[in-house]
Amino acid sequence: EIVLTQSPGTLSLSPGERATLSCRASQNVNNNYLAWYQQKPGQAPRLLIYGASSRATGIPDRFSGSGSGTDFTLTISRLEPEDFAVYHCQQYGNSPRTFGQGTKVEIK
Amino acid sequence: QVQLQESGPGLAKPSETLSLTCTVSGGSINSNYWSWIRQPPGKGLEWIGYIYYSGSTDYNPSLKSRVTISVDTSNSQSSLKLSSVTAADTAVYYCTRGSGWYFYWGQGTLVTVSS
Repeated sequence: EIVLTQSPGTLSLSPGERATLSCRASQNVNNNYLAWYQQKPGQAPRLLIYGASSRATGIPDRFSGSGSGTDFTLTISRLEPEDFAVYHCQQYGNSPRTFGQGTKVEIK
Repeated sequence: QVQLQESGPGLAKPSETLSLTCTVSGGSINSNYWSWIRQPPGKGLEWIGYIYYSGSTDYNPSLKSRVTISVDTSNSQSSLKLSSVTAADTAVYYCTRGSGWYFYWGQGTLVTVSS
């Protein structure tokens, strides 16, 4: 099973700042099949990125994904008030699918 | 617009079987994979497994001995059964479409395991 480790656990930033979230895999993620989700309290996760760098339908271009192999990054170029949430990475290159433990982006 | 709706009891007793149903609307259940994912309160997401509309399945090894996912194409539903539940199975259970990344999600249903 591929273990995904997200860092930091919590990121305290102000609106307008840049957020950089990391997701490191315990082994190579096949075909860079890595997705990112945003989750707000009481809501289901929302797909942001798939295939490590492809934005899902309707996702603003301030969200971008990069990386390959075992190291992946989600970048939010300029935080908007609605971006403060928990972010999860997930790999789907291997079974079982696995998720990271999440990074909370909070208002500083 | 594809919509998924989970339904089922919100309370299960220890050692019993948890049963949930996901009803799909706005799209076809055919030619798609349907997955179940859960999230214990305050914790991260855990993949339970998926089923293809034709019936082939893949389960998380950590749950495989207790999980059954089925599909009813005539009623556009996917079902999850988890046997011998304990308090550790208390979670919000989500149904989703897909086998890899998940764009469509249900709103989730909280199942509490308690006597």
